[in-house]
Amino acid sequence: EAAVTQSPRSKVAVTGGKVTLSCHQTNNHDYMYWYRQDTGHGLRLIHYSYVADSTEKGDIPDGYKASRPSQENFSLILELASLSQTAVYFCASSAGGSYAEQFFGPGTRLTVL
Amino acid sequence: SQWGEENLQALSIQEGEDVTMNCSYKTYTTVVQWYRQKSGKGPALIILIRSNEREKRSGRLRATLDTSSQSSSLSITGTLATDTAVYFCATGTGGLSGKLTFGEGTQVTVIS
Repeated sequence: EAAVTQSPRSKVAVTGGKVTLSCHQTNNHDYMYWYRQDTGHGLRLIHYSYVADSTEKGDIPDGYKASRPSQENFSLILELASLSQTAVYFCASSAGGSYAEQFFGPGTRLTVL
Repeated sequence: SQWGEENLQALSIQEGEDVTMNCSYKTYTTVVQWYRQKSGKGPALIILIRSNEREKRSGRLRATLDTSSQSSSLSITGTLATDTAVYFCATGTGGLSGKLTFGEGTQVTVIS
């Protein structure tokens, strides 16, 4: 059974609209992350969280907000979606620490028109 | 950027051949993790090498790390068609957050 799930798996949004991407993990991990992947490129960290009700900025947080209402759930919010935010978004969880493996969800393909 | 220019590449090989891919990084790291991403899926860890290790093996995989030149390599021996994927190296700088910085990746296509 998949330990990190994401919803929706695919979404088309309009420019200026609000988009919420959701992530749920059953790994009992403290740390959760949101990444974006542009076609043909690596993953870039947007936000992460190590405890419920607290989030931290990653390397590219501009234009994104995050919410961690519980240990299991982590959301990424685009208040005003823009064309440049078209990408695949991945959520991951880990136990934390330098050597911890990150477990990724299947991704959400977001297209902003 | 964390990464050297040589990280972005694509390799096409015949099944059964060996393949090696490289990545170089510019800042201090305590660990290099190698992830494999198959088409339409999220990345998955395949091997991890710590900064105090020079080599790590796991089945057909071999990772090396040279902290003096800030470079790491991943080798796959006896490739299979199922090894077709994008391979990423990711570095971590320590601390509880477990934050990783991913390279651009290497597309490996194994032709059967």
